[in-house]
Order: sequence, then structure tokens, then C-alpha cells
Amino acid sequence: AQRVTQPEKLLSVFKGAPVELKCNYSYSGSPELFWYVQYSRQRLQLLLRHISRESIKGFTADLNKGETSFHLKKPFAQEEDSAMYYCALGSQGGSEKLVFGKGTKLTVNP
Amino acid sequence: GAGVSQSPSNKVTEKGKDVELRCDPISGHTALYWYRQSLGQGLEFLIYFQGNSAPDKSGLPSDRFSAERTGGSVSTLTIQRTQQEDSAVYLCASSLAQVLYEQYFGPGTRLTVT
Repeated sequence: AQRVTQPEKLLSVFKGAPVELKCNYSYSGSPELFWYVQYSRQRLQLLLRHISRESIKGFTADLNKGETSFHLKKPFAQEEDSAMYYCALGSQGGSEKLVFGKGTKLTVNP
Repeated sequence: GAGVSQSPSNKVTEKGKDVELRCDPISGHTALYWYRQSLGQGLEFLIYFQGNSAPDKSGLPSDRFSAERTGGSVSTLTIQRTQQEDSAVYLCASSLAQVLYEQYFGPGTRLTVT
């Protein structure tokens, strides 16, 4: 069964500090991993996907199949990064639905 | 262009009543998803429509929940005999068939059952 675990419900850092939001997944097939973000009073939106290996708003995430992880990182957090972050797992050739983690609320303090 | 829209934005209903929630996906998006977002529970998948295929209803929590999608566009989620535990934000998302996992979300309907 597909499962996504985000161990931290809440994460608080100071502006300019590095931030890492953890995500671990469980899936026996070939995974597709995503990070979605929901800013205050805004819609949930896609932040980045592992297959594109891109950096969005300074965030990066590397898929580590050995550790079954897809942690989201940013070297210098900004106050505008404060939001709810969800890690999501899709399956190639599988059920065609995303499985979301329970989310981590990131607060960046001034 | 217009994004995914949902109505109503808020709904307060009494326990035992039926409610209907509506979703208008982005034009041209053949895939449509319903999720439930509860405090501390993340996003719970409910149902998935893709083109003319039979919907994936595997996430519906009970037979009080049903959904339909008419004409491959608008979708309605119906909850019968609402219970207090149904209180949550119901989110709709749509995507293109080629990139199912790149989903565009609506603003959600906040349902409160009193």
C-alpha cells in the first residue's frame, strides 16, 4: 500500500536559517513524488515534482530511493515561506491517485 | 484562465440533513478529484473521475457519500444524512490526463454539521 509520512506537524525556524521538511514514503513500485503548498487563505498548489529536479522559490527536494525519502530543503528561509506543506506520492502505472501526507506547518519567524 | 471553482464556500447544516457540494473544473481537464481536509488529518482522497471511465470510489468513507460528474465537466458530491464527523473542508481538484498528478485545486467548501 502507498503511504506518506511527514513526521513533523509543526516546524518553526528563524528567517535566514536553513529549513528541511521531512517526507518518507512507502511504495514498492516506481514512485512519483511531489510537494504541494498552501499559503494562508490561498489554494493548495503544486510546489515542485521530483522528476523535473527544479528549484522553486529556492526550495529543492531530492528523491532518495534507498532511504525512501523526499525531504524539502531551503538554505535560507524567508517569512513568506510560512505555510502548510504536503508531500504527495503518485504511482506510475498504478491507481492514478495521489496519496498525501498529513502536512507540516512551517512558521518562519522574523 | 479561470481556475477550479467550488460552491458554496461555506455550508452549515443540521445533523441528518443532505448536502450537495459543487465543483467546476478547469476547462479541458479530464481528471477530477474530491478530497476531504480535516484538522490534523491532511488530505483524504474520496473519489476520482477520468474521462468516460468508471470512477474510482475507493476513498468514499461510507455509502452516505456519493458523487457524479455530468458531461465530463461539473461534479457534485452528495452527503446524505450528515453526521458531525463529516465536518471538514471538501476540496476539488482537476488535471490534464497527461499529467494526472499536477493537480489544480479549488478553494474548497467548508462544511459544518451542527
